[in-house]
Amino acid sequence: QSALTQPASVSGSPGQSITISCTGTSSDVGGYNYVSWYQQHPGKAPKLMIYEVSNRPSGVSNRFSGSKSGNTASLTISGLQAEDEADYYCSSYTSSLYVFGTGTKVTVL
Amino acid sequence: QVQLQESGPGLVKPSETLSLTCAVSGYSISSGYYWGWIRQPPGKGLEWIGSIYHSGSTYYNPSLKSRVTISVDTSKNQFSLKLSSVTAADTAVYYCARVARATRVFDYWGQGTLVTVSS
Repeated sequence: QSALTQPASVSGSPGQSITISCTGTSSDVGGYNYVSWYQQHPGKAPKLMIYEVSNRPSGVSNRFSGSKSGNTASLTISGLQAEDEADYYCSSYTSSLYVFGTGTKVTVL
Repeated sequence: QVQLQESGPGLVKPSETLSLTCAVSGYSISSGYYWGWIRQPPGKGLEWIGSIYHSGSTYYNPSLKSRVTISVDTSKNQFSLKLSSVTAADTAVYYCARVARATRVFDYWGQGTLVTVSS
């Protein structure tokens, strides 16, 4: 059970859109529609942003969207805002187990 | 509102057993859901440790399975983590979380507790 692969960092200017990728295998990301995304600000617990690939929990901005193609899932943040600067982690369910991504630091320039 | 709160020693000696408890309020553990533990070494990413159902069914990360025990106490509405034979590599912030069965997500998290392994 290896960690899902994410880019270490992604940056963008306010108002721009950015996309974070999350690459796994056919046993996890590619095999289930149970991909989720979490936002983590420094010193805080992670917060659920996307579940089941593309669904947003109540209260999460519609600037956040998710998708999946094959073994790679993606999180897109549109209209980037200063408050979006944080670490982002993907997660996948796989045969009663869970695996997280390596994490991506998003910087708002 | 569902709330989770981790508690336990912040310092554990190498080779000893790390023990943490997660107290749940605002929701009865017996009502359903899985309950899990996740850890994060300083400056590093998240790692799922394991999950437990109120009935006692458990699932563990294969890389930690030989050292991990998760248990539940429905009478106290809490669940616990034991990690044996710890080393410095087990130093991390440990989070407890509620695991939604239907969507397979960690929807409520505790604030986390730092456990340092050092002599």
